[in-house]
Amino acid sequence: AQSVSQHNHHVILSEAASLELGCNYSYGGTVNLFWYVQYPGQHLQLLLKYFSGDPLVKGIKGFEAEFIKSKFSFNLRKPSVQWSDTAEYFCAVTAYNYGQNFVFGPGTRLSVLP
Amino acid sequence: GAVVSQHPSWVICKSGTSVKIECRSLDFQATTMFWYRQFPKQSLMLMATSNEGSKATYEQGVEKDKFLINHASLTLSTLTVTSAHPEDSSFYICSARDAGNTEAFFGQGTRLTVV
Repeated sequence: AQSVSQHNHHVILSEAASLELGCNYSYGGTVNLFWYVQYPGQHLQLLLKYFSGDPLVKGIKGFEAEFIKSKFSFNLRKPSVQWSDTAEYFCAVTAYNYGQNFVFGPGTRLSVLP
Repeated sequence: GAVVSQHPSWVICKSGTSVKIECRSLDFQATTMFWYRQFPKQSLMLMATSNEGSKATYEQGVEKDKFLINHASLTLSTLTVTSAHPEDSSFYICSARDAGNTEAFFGQGTRLTVV
C-alpha cells in the first residue's frame, strides 16, 4: 500500500547540533513533497515544498530538504538547531496518480535541549 | 500565504449531542477541502475530501452518517459530529486548496472534548 514513513519517532538534540529527519514514500509517478511543522499548541505550518526543478529545496527558518527520486526520499535538514525548533515535524506527499490528496507521515517529535 | 480559519478552536459537548465545526478560506476560493483527525502524539489521518457543490468522499473506516461534511460554497465547509461520544474526542483539522494549486493551507484545528 502507498504510504509515507518517517524514520524517527522522537529525536532529542542539543542546541547547535545538526538535524536530519528522514522521510520516505512509496508512491509511483509524479509527486509533490512537503514538510510541515507543528509547534506546541499551534496549527500546521509549511516549512518547504518540492514540486519540480532543483531537488535541493530551501525553506523557512534555515531548513532545507533534498528530493532523491531514486531513493523515494525527501529528508529534512538544518545545520544548527535552536531550542525554538522544538516541535512535531510531518512529511507529506501528494501524488498525481492518487488524487493528489495529502498523505502525512506519522510525524517526528524534535526536542532541542537548551 | 493563504489563510484558512477554523471555528471554534475548542469545544466541549455532552455525549449524544452534535457539534458543528466550520472551516473558511478567507482570501481564496477553496474548490477542495480536506478534514483530518489527529489523535494525541499521532499523525493526521484524512477523514474525507470534499469538493464544492458535491458530496464528500470519505476514507475507509470513517462513518459518513456520523461525520457529516457540507461544502456548500467556495469558502466554507462544515464538519458536523453527530451523536458525539467520548471516543470522538480528538483534534480536528481542515485544509483547503484552490483549483490551481497543489498546496493546501491548514486551519488552526478544533479540539473536541465529549464528556
